[in-house]
Amino acid sequence: GIQVEQSPPDLILQEGANSTLRCNFSDSVNNLQWFHQNPWGQLINLFYIPSGTKQNGRLSATTVATERYSLLYISSSQTTDSGVYFCAVTFSGGGADGLTFGKGTHLIIQP
Amino acid sequence: KAGVTQTPRYLIKTRGQQVTLSCSPISGHRSVSWYQQTPGQGLQFLFEYFSETQRNKGNFPGRFSGRQFSNSRSEMNVSTLELGDSALYLCASSGGPPLRNFSYNEQFFGPGTRLTVL
Repeated sequence: GIQVEQSPPDLILQEGANSTLRCNFSDSVNNLQWFHQNPWGQLINLFYIPSGTKQNGRLSATTVATERYSLLYISSSQTTDSGVYFCAVTFSGGGADGLTFGKGTHLIIQP
Repeated sequence: KAGVTQTPRYLIKTRGQQVTLSCSPISGHRSVSWYQQTPGQGLQFLFEYFSETQRNKGNFPGRFSGRQFSNSRSEMNVSTLELGDSALYLCASSGGPPLRNFSYNEQFFGPGTRLTVL
C-alpha cells in the first residue's frame, strides 16, 4: 500500500549537534511538507517542498522526487528543537486523499 | 494574518453522546481539511471541504461527518461517541482548490481540539 516511512523513529542528541531526518515515500507525490509538532499538539510548518532544496535559518530540506525521499537537516541543535517531526505527502495517483503522514521522528536535544 | 482557529480547545464527553467541533480557516483560504491524531494510529485524514462541498473522505465510519459554510468556516460532528474517538482533532486550511492533477497547496494547521470520551 501507499506508505510514508520516517527514520529514525527516535533521536537523542546533545545541544549543538547536527541531525538528518529522512522521509521515504512509496509513490509519486504532488505535495510534501515537513512539520514540527509542539508540546501542545500544534503542527508548525517547516517546509513545503515537493521537490528541490530550501533553507530557513538552521533548518534545510531536500526532496528528490525521482528517488522518493526527502531529508530534513537541523544544524547546531538547540533544546527548543525537541519534539516530533512529521513528513506528510499527497500522492499523485488516483484521487486527492489529503495528507498522508509518516509516524514521525521524536527528537530530544539534551543541554 | 490570523492563523487557523479551532474551538473548543478541550472537550470531555461520555460514550453515546455527540460532539461538534469548529474550525475557522486563514482569511481567504477556501479549503478546509480535518485530521485525527491518536497514539496508536497517528495522524489520519478525515475529510476535506472546498466551497461548501466535501471533496474527499478518509476511511472513517459514517458517525464522522462535516460541513463547510459560505464563509469557509467548517464544523465536524461525531455522533454516538466511542472510547476510541478520544483524540486530538486537527483542522488545516489551504489557499486554493485542488489543482487538476490533484495537487494541494501548502496546508496550515490549527491548534487542535483535544477530545476525551469517558
